[in-house]
Amino acid sequence: SAVISQKPSRDICQRGTSLTIQCQVDSQVTMMFWYRQQPGQSLTLIATANQGSEATYESGFVIDKFPISRPNLTFSTLTVSNMSPEDSSIYLCSVEVQGSDTEAFFGQGTRLTVV
Amino acid sequence: AQSVTQLGSHVSVSEGALVLLRCNYSSSVPPYLFWYVQYPNQGLQLLLKYTSAATLVKGINGFEAEFKKSETSFHLTKPSAHMSDAAEYFCAVSRTGTASKLTFGTGTRLQVTL
Repeated sequence: SAVISQKPSRDICQRGTSLTIQCQVDSQVTMMFWYRQQPGQSLTLIATANQGSEATYESGFVIDKFPISRPNLTFSTLTVSNMSPEDSSIYLCSVEVQGSDTEAFFGQGTRLTVV
Repeated sequence: AQSVTQLGSHVSVSEGALVLLRCNYSSSVPPYLFWYVQYPNQGLQLLLKYTSAATLVKGINGFEAEFKKSETSFHLTKPSAHMSDAAEYFCAVSRTGTASKLTFGTGTRLQVTL
Protein backbone atom coordinates (compact mmCIF):
# COMPACT_ATOMS: atom_id res chain seq x y z
CA SER A 1 0.00 0.00 0.00
CA ALA A 2 0.96 3.65 -0.01
CA VAL A 3 0.24 6.57 2.25
CA ILE A 4 -0.16 9.84 0.39
CA SER A 5 0.02 13.26 1.97
CA GLN A 6 -1.28 16.28 0.14
CA LYS A 7 -0.69 19.87 1.10
CA PRO A 8 -2.55 22.09 1.52
CA SER A 9 -5.76 20.27 2.36
CA ARG A 10 -7.75 23.31 1.37
CA ASP A 11 -7.22 26.89 0.29
CA ILE A 12 -9.11 29.95 -0.79
CA CYS A 13 -7.31 31.94 -3.46
CA GLN A 14 -7.79 35.14 -5.35
CA ARG A 15 -8.38 34.96 -9.07
CA GLY A 16 -5.29 35.54 -11.14
CA THR A 17 -2.96 33.98 -8.59
CA SER A 18 -1.35 30.53 -8.60
CA LEU A 19 -1.36 27.71 -6.09
CA THR A 20 1.09 24.84 -5.84
CA ILE A 21 -0.15 21.57 -4.39
CA GLN A 22 2.28 19.06 -3.01
CA CYS A 23 1.97 15.29 -3.01
CA GLN A 24 4.29 13.19 -0.86
CA VAL A 25 4.25 9.39 -0.86
CA ASP A 26 5.74 7.25 1.86
CA SER A 27 7.38 4.87 -0.61
CA GLN A 28 8.86 4.95 -4.07
CA VAL A 29 6.23 4.62 -6.76
CA THR A 30 6.43 4.17 -10.48
CA MET A 31 3.40 6.15 -11.52
CA MET A 32 1.92 9.35 -10.13
CA PHE A 33 -1.18 11.08 -11.42
CA TRP A 34 -3.18 14.22 -10.81
CA TYR A 35 -6.97 14.28 -10.99
CA ARG A 36 -9.52 17.04 -10.73
CA GLN A 37 -12.96 16.69 -9.20
CA GLN A 38 -15.15 19.65 -10.00
CA PRO A 39 -18.11 20.37 -7.71
CA GLY A 40 -20.74 17.68 -8.01
CA GLN A 41 -18.83 15.88 -10.72
CA SER A 42 -16.60 12.88 -11.12
CA LEU A 43 -12.84 12.70 -11.27
CA THR A 44 -10.99 13.65 -14.42
CA LEU A 45 -7.38 12.79 -15.07
CA ILE A 46 -5.26 15.89 -15.60
CA ALA A 47 -1.87 14.37 -16.25
CA THR A 48 0.70 11.73 -15.49
CA ALA A 49 3.66 13.06 -13.55
CA ASN A 50 6.79 11.54 -15.02
CA GLN A 51 9.96 11.38 -12.99
CA GLY A 52 12.78 13.17 -14.75
CA SER A 53 10.77 14.31 -17.74
CA GLU A 54 7.82 16.47 -18.68
CA ALA A 55 4.37 15.44 -17.53
CA THR A 56 1.96 13.82 -19.97
CA TYR A 57 -1.26 15.81 -20.19
CA GLU A 58 -4.73 14.59 -21.04
CA SER A 59 -6.89 16.22 -23.63
CA GLY A 60 -8.14 19.58 -22.42
CA PHE A 61 -5.29 20.20 -20.01
CA VAL A 62 -2.12 22.12 -20.83
CA ILE A 63 1.21 22.62 -19.18
CA ASP A 64 0.92 26.40 -19.01
CA LYS A 65 -2.19 26.12 -16.88
CA PHE A 66 -1.19 23.08 -14.82
CA PRO A 67 2.59 22.81 -14.62
CA ILE A 68 3.69 19.63 -12.86
CA SER A 69 6.98 18.66 -11.36
CA ARG A 70 8.24 15.30 -10.20
CA PRO A 71 11.80 15.58 -8.96
CA ASN A 72 11.96 12.07 -7.50
CA LEU A 73 9.99 8.85 -7.00
CA THR A 74 8.11 10.01 -3.91
CA PHE A 75 7.15 13.62 -4.58
CA SER A 76 5.22 15.68 -7.10
CA THR A 77 3.67 19.12 -7.33
CA LEU A 78 0.78 20.47 -9.33
CA THR A 79 0.44 24.19 -9.86
CA VAL A 80 -2.86 25.75 -10.81
CA SER A 81 -1.87 28.93 -12.62
CA ASN A 82 -3.70 32.18 -13.21
CA MET A 83 -6.71 30.86 -11.37
CA SER A 84 -10.32 31.66 -12.13
CA PRO A 85 -13.47 30.59 -10.26
CA GLU A 86 -13.85 27.74 -12.76
CA ASP A 87 -10.73 26.18 -11.24
CA SER A 88 -12.52 25.68 -7.94
CA SER A 89 -12.29 21.93 -7.49
CA ILE A 90 -10.77 19.18 -5.46
CA TYR A 91 -7.39 18.16 -6.79
CA LEU A 92 -6.24 14.64 -5.99
CA CYS A 93 -2.91 12.96 -6.26
CA SER A 94 -2.89 9.27 -7.10
CA VAL A 95 -0.14 6.68 -7.26
CA GLU A 96 0.27 3.22 -8.64
CA VAL A 97 2.50 1.15 -6.42
CA GLN A 98 5.07 -1.14 -7.97
CA GLY A 99 4.15 -4.75 -7.40
CA SER A 100 0.52 -3.80 -6.94
CA ASP A 101 -0.27 -2.56 -10.36
CA THR A 102 -3.98 -3.15 -10.14
CA GLU A 103 -4.65 -0.67 -7.42
CA ALA A 104 -4.33 3.06 -7.33
CA PHE A 105 -4.03 4.92 -4.06
CA PHE A 106 -5.39 8.40 -3.62
CA GLY A 107 -4.52 11.29 -1.40
CA GLN A 108 -7.23 13.07 0.54
CA GLY A 109 -7.27 15.87 -1.95
CA THR A 110 -6.86 19.62 -1.93
CA ARG A 111 -10.08 21.58 -1.90
CA LEU A 112 -9.48 24.79 -3.83
CA THR A 113 -11.87 27.70 -3.89
CA VAL A 114 -11.12 30.63 -6.18
CA VAL A 115 -12.84 33.91 -5.40
CA ALA B 1 -12.00 4.15 -25.69
CA GLN B 2 -13.06 3.02 -22.27
CA SER B 3 -15.92 4.57 -20.33
CA VAL B 4 -18.33 3.76 -17.54
CA THR B 5 -21.89 4.86 -16.92
CA GLN B 6 -23.40 4.89 -13.48
CA LEU B 7 -27.18 4.80 -13.42
CA GLY B 8 -28.67 6.87 -10.65
CA SER B 9 -26.85 9.79 -9.12
CA HIS B 10 -28.64 9.24 -5.82
CA VAL B 11 -29.78 6.02 -4.23
CA SER B 12 -31.60 5.80 -0.92
CA VAL B 13 -32.07 2.58 1.01
CA SER B 14 -33.22 1.67 4.46
CA GLU B 15 -30.77 0.29 6.95
CA GLY B 16 -30.67 -3.49 6.51
CA ALA B 17 -31.93 -3.37 2.93
CA LEU B 18 -30.09 -4.51 -0.16
CA VAL B 19 -27.73 -2.03 -1.77
CA LEU B 20 -27.49 -2.10 -5.56
CA LEU B 21 -25.40 0.48 -7.39
CA ARG B 22 -25.31 0.13 -11.15
CA CYS B 23 -22.35 0.49 -13.46
CA ASN B 24 -22.13 -0.31 -17.14
CA TYR B 25 -18.89 -0.14 -19.05
CA SER B 26 -17.74 0.32 -22.58
CA SER B 27 -14.36 -1.00 -23.54
CA SER B 28 -12.66 -2.08 -26.72
CA VAL B 29 -10.40 -4.41 -24.75
CA PRO B 30 -10.97 -6.68 -21.75
CA PRO B 31 -11.55 -4.14 -19.02
CA TYR B 32 -10.06 -3.66 -15.61
CA LEU B 33 -12.91 -2.35 -13.46
CA PHE B 34 -12.94 -0.77 -10.03
CA TRP B 35 -15.32 0.50 -7.41
CA TYR B 36 -14.15 3.29 -5.13
CA VAL B 37 -15.88 4.89 -2.16
CA GLN B 38 -15.47 8.48 -1.05
CA TYR B 39 -16.60 9.46 2.41
CA PRO B 40 -17.26 13.14 3.10
CA ASN B 41 -14.11 15.22 3.04
CA GLN B 42 -11.93 12.21 2.42
CA GLY B 43 -10.01 10.71 -0.48
CA LEU B 44 -11.00 7.66 -2.44
CA GLN B 45 -10.76 4.18 -1.04
CA LEU B 46 -10.75 1.07 -3.18
CA LEU B 47 -13.70 -1.23 -2.48
CA LEU B 48 -12.93 -3.91 -5.02
CA LYS B 49 -11.50 -4.56 -8.46
CA TYR B 50 -12.02 -6.87 -11.40
CA THR B 51 -8.90 -7.85 -13.31
CA SER B 52 -10.10 -10.72 -15.52
CA ALA B 53 -9.95 -13.39 -12.84
CA ALA B 54 -13.12 -14.44 -10.99
CA THR B 55 -16.24 -12.70 -12.25
CA LEU B 56 -17.68 -12.36 -8.75
CA VAL B 57 -15.43 -10.06 -6.81
CA LYS B 58 -15.62 -9.58 -3.08
CA GLY B 59 -14.40 -6.39 -1.54
CA ILE B 60 -14.18 -4.67 1.77
CA ASN B 61 -17.04 -3.82 4.10
CA GLY B 62 -19.25 -6.62 2.75
CA PHE B 63 -19.49 -5.27 -0.79
CA GLU B 64 -19.23 -7.39 -3.89
CA ALA B 65 -19.62 -6.94 -7.63
CA GLU B 66 -20.23 -9.27 -10.51
CA PHE B 67 -18.65 -8.79 -13.90
CA LYS B 68 -21.15 -9.69 -16.63
CA LYS B 69 -19.64 -9.44 -20.06
CA SER B 70 -22.91 -10.16 -21.85
CA GLU B 71 -24.50 -7.20 -20.12
CA THR B 72 -21.33 -5.05 -20.00
CA SER B 73 -22.13 -4.48 -16.34
CA PHE B 74 -20.27 -4.39 -13.05
CA HIS B 75 -22.93 -3.63 -10.48
CA LEU B 76 -22.01 -3.19 -6.82
CA THR B 77 -24.10 -4.91 -4.17
CA LYS B 78 -24.28 -5.36 -0.43
CA PRO B 79 -26.90 -7.58 1.17
CA SER B 80 -27.60 -5.36 4.15
CA ALA B 81 -26.96 -1.64 4.27
CA HIS B 82 -25.46 0.02 7.29
CA MET B 83 -25.60 3.67 8.21
CA SER B 84 -21.84 3.85 7.80
CA ASP B 85 -22.19 2.96 4.11
CA ALA B 86 -23.52 6.42 3.32
CA ALA B 87 -20.99 7.87 0.89
CA GLU B 88 -20.27 8.58 -2.76
CA TYR B 89 -19.44 5.54 -4.87
CA PHE B 90 -17.50 5.68 -8.11
CA CYS B 91 -17.13 3.03 -10.77
CA ALA B 92 -13.97 3.28 -12.85
CA VAL B 93 -12.33 1.57 -15.77
CA SER B 94 -8.66 1.48 -16.54
CA ARG B 95 -7.39 2.56 -19.94
CA THR B 96 -4.15 0.71 -19.54
CA GLY B 97 -4.92 -2.66 -18.03
CA THR B 98 -3.52 -1.61 -14.68
CA ALA B 99 -4.62 0.96 -12.13
CA SER B 100 -3.15 3.75 -14.22
CA LYS B 101 -5.24 6.35 -15.95
CA LEU B 102 -8.65 5.59 -14.59
CA THR B 103 -11.81 6.85 -16.23
CA PHE B 104 -14.46 7.40 -13.59
CA GLY B 105 -18.21 7.35 -13.72
CA THR B 106 -20.23 10.28 -12.48
CA GLY B 107 -20.73 8.72 -9.08
CA THR B 108 -23.70 7.57 -7.03
CA ARG B 109 -24.47 9.06 -3.67
CA LEU B 110 -25.82 6.42 -1.32
CA GLN B 111 -28.10 7.51 1.47
CA VAL B 112 -29.02 5.07 4.22
CA THR B 113 -32.08 5.81 6.31
CA LEU B 114 -33.38 4.32 9.53
